[in-house]
Amino acid sequence: DQQVKQNSPSLSVQEGRISILNCDYTNSMFDYFLWYKKYPAEGPTFLISISSIKDKNEDGRFTVFLNKSAKHLSLHIVPSQPGDSAVYFCAASAKDYGNNRLAFGKGNQVVVIP
Amino acid sequence: DVKVTQSSRYLVKRTGEKVFLECVQDMDHENMFWYRQDPGLGLRLIYFSYDVKMKEKGDIPEGYSVSREKKERFSLILESASTNQTSMYLCASSLLGTGANYEQYFGPGTRLTVT
Repeated sequence: DQQVKQNSPSLSVQEGRISILNCDYTNSMFDYFLWYKKYPAEGPTFLISISSIKDKNEDGRFTVFLNKSAKHLSLHIVPSQPGDSAVYFCAASAKDYGNNRLAFGKGNQVVVIP
Repeated sequence: DVKVTQSSRYLVKRTGEKVFLECVQDMDHENMFWYRQDPGLGLRLIYFSYDVKMKEKGDIPEGYSVSREKKERFSLILESASTNQTSMYLCASSLLGTGANYEQYFGPGTRLTVT
């Protein structure tokens, strides 16, 4: 049972434009959300996170928006750069969700075209 | 800087062999995790551990076992490797607690091929 869903498995965007990645979750107990970035043959690296008490968190070119009522979050990358070409995973957790385990989505492949 | 290391980047084993994948973290994290990543399936949790000698099954534990004898080290064992265990294996660690402690730090991964 997929508790975190990322549709649209791949996205192509021109360099300099905005990339928007979407993520939906089903477990209303989730209270912390994270985005990870993964290059081929490397481990995922943490990108940005948001607590359920906020609706927006920004870090440089990366902004995450959270809509709790819709159980939806999105990651905006502005402006997109070729180095942003990677797979992006959305993840979620909650206090009672098994010792800090994360529920991951299946990932979105982003290709930034120079 | 948190560092999670995995014993091998690439590994080729034969069907039926016993395979050990080792993971070491240097940040005194309580939690450690083993995932596998397959195209179109994302990251799937195999096992995790929140303390020495403690282990919990993840979503796909069948065919795997784990060992955590020391806090910094978490081993994944394939008792009898099969071709459907060909995958990228990722180890991660995190602190206990909520909020930012949910952040997991990943190793570089082991690409295992079972022939």
